[in-house]
Amino acid sequence: NAGVTQTPKFQVLKTGQSMTLQCAQDMNHNSMYWYRQDPGMGLRLIYYSASEGTTDKGEVPNGYNVSRLNKREFSLRLESAAPSQTSVYFCATRRKPDTGELFFGEGSRLTVL
Amino acid sequence: GDSVTQMEGPVTLSEEAFLTINCTYTATGYPSLFWYVQYPGEGLQLLLKATKADDKGSNKGFEATYRKETTSFHLEKGSVQVSDSAVYFCALTRVDGSNYKLTFGKGTLLTVNP
Repeated sequence: NAGVTQTPKFQVLKTGQSMTLQCAQDMNHNSMYWYRQDPGMGLRLIYYSASEGTTDKGEVPNGYNVSRLNKREFSLRLESAAPSQTSVYFCATRRKPDTGELFFGEGSRLTVL
Repeated sequence: GDSVTQMEGPVTLSEEAFLTINCTYTATGYPSLFWYVQYPGEGLQLLLKATKADDKGSNKGFEATYRKETTSFHLEKGSVQVSDSAVYFCALTRVDGSNYKLTFGKGTLLTVNP
């Protein structure tokens, strides 16, 4: 009963390095999301995918790219990490028929030095 | 665009105290409203929701009523416990297929002391 699984849970990068955060879900949900959480800022949407094969920008997409590899997987890539991208990243899913509820992973804590 | 404003924390209470966390929203149409809770080191999870005006959502002793006239969805609990210590987020979205995004408030940290 895994739900939404994010990897890695922790990562430290140097400025300019690249990395990919992975998200996989076993709930057969259509929509998937990437949020970042920063103190005093709440949750901000980076990118989302309403269904397999589509992706759209959220509030703060600059510096990120995403891939909806298939219905189960939605990855977030940082091509050239910056200290401003130090954050906790959450993947979430939303099902169809839609109840509006999001199902979250446990988060990935990223530090960029 | 849609927005959610919730009271800033942190909120510190003693066990068995009454809790209110205020939440107001701005949105066109008829959104659904949610409260999510985030326990330390975990992701967010749905606490309760309401889908239309005057609906009351409830769960684990928490309640919130969808008030369209005041555009509010305040979270209340009559007697908090230490285990309720967490960050609480108010949120809204539409479930008619017109908007796949959830709009969150900034969160309110609640600490309950024994």
